[in-house]
Amino acid sequence: AQSVTQPDIHITVSEGASLELRCNYSYGATPYLFWYVQSPGQGLQLLLKYFSGDTLVQGIKGFEAEFKRSQSSFNLRKPSVHWSDAAEYFCAVGANNFNKFYFGSGTKLNVKP
Amino acid sequence: GAGVSQSPSNKVTEKGKDVELRCDPISGHTALYWYRQSLGQGLEFLIYFQGNSAPDKSGLPSDRFSAERTGGSVSTLTIQRTQQEDSAVYLCASSPLSGTQYFGPGTRLLVL
Repeated sequence: AQSVTQPDIHITVSEGASLELRCNYSYGATPYLFWYVQSPGQGLQLLLKYFSGDTLVQGIKGFEAEFKRSQSSFNLRKPSVHWSDAAEYFCAVGANNFNKFYFGSGTKLNVKP
Repeated sequence: GAGVSQSPSNKVTEKGKDVELRCDPISGHTALYWYRQSLGQGLEFLIYFQGNSAPDKSGLPSDRFSAERTGGSVSTLTIQRTQQEDSAVYLCASSPLSGTQYFGPGTRLLVL
């Protein structure tokens, strides 16, 4: 069955520190992968996506993610976190014809001053 | 340009009442999705519309839930005989053929 796992429910990092949010997926075919961010009271905003090609993808706000097929992972990274990055982050897998998307349960990021 | 809009932003209803939630997608987007986000949970897929094709209703949790999309644009999600477990944020997203979803701000539903 298709699923997305985000093993970390909450993560706290200090401002300026590096960040890695984990995402593992289970999908029978080549997945379309996404990371979204949801700030309090806001809708979900797309950070980046992977469809094919270079497995390291760059997104908005300085985020990047790397697709590792052998590990069924699509981890999100940022070299230096800003206080404004505090939000909830969702990883998602899209079916090949985009008729369905599977979302992880989210990781809440807190940023310490 | 205008993004995806949803109304109402908040809805409080009594158990057993029917509610209608509205989604206005981005103009020109052929695909429309409804999701439910319960407290502390990820997004649960409910239904998918693509153009004039029959919708994919495989995510609807019970027959109390239904949705329609008129003229390939506006969509309404209807919950009949609401239950307390229906309390959640209902999110709508639209997408062009590229598959990238654009989300609305959601409707927060509270069933008392």
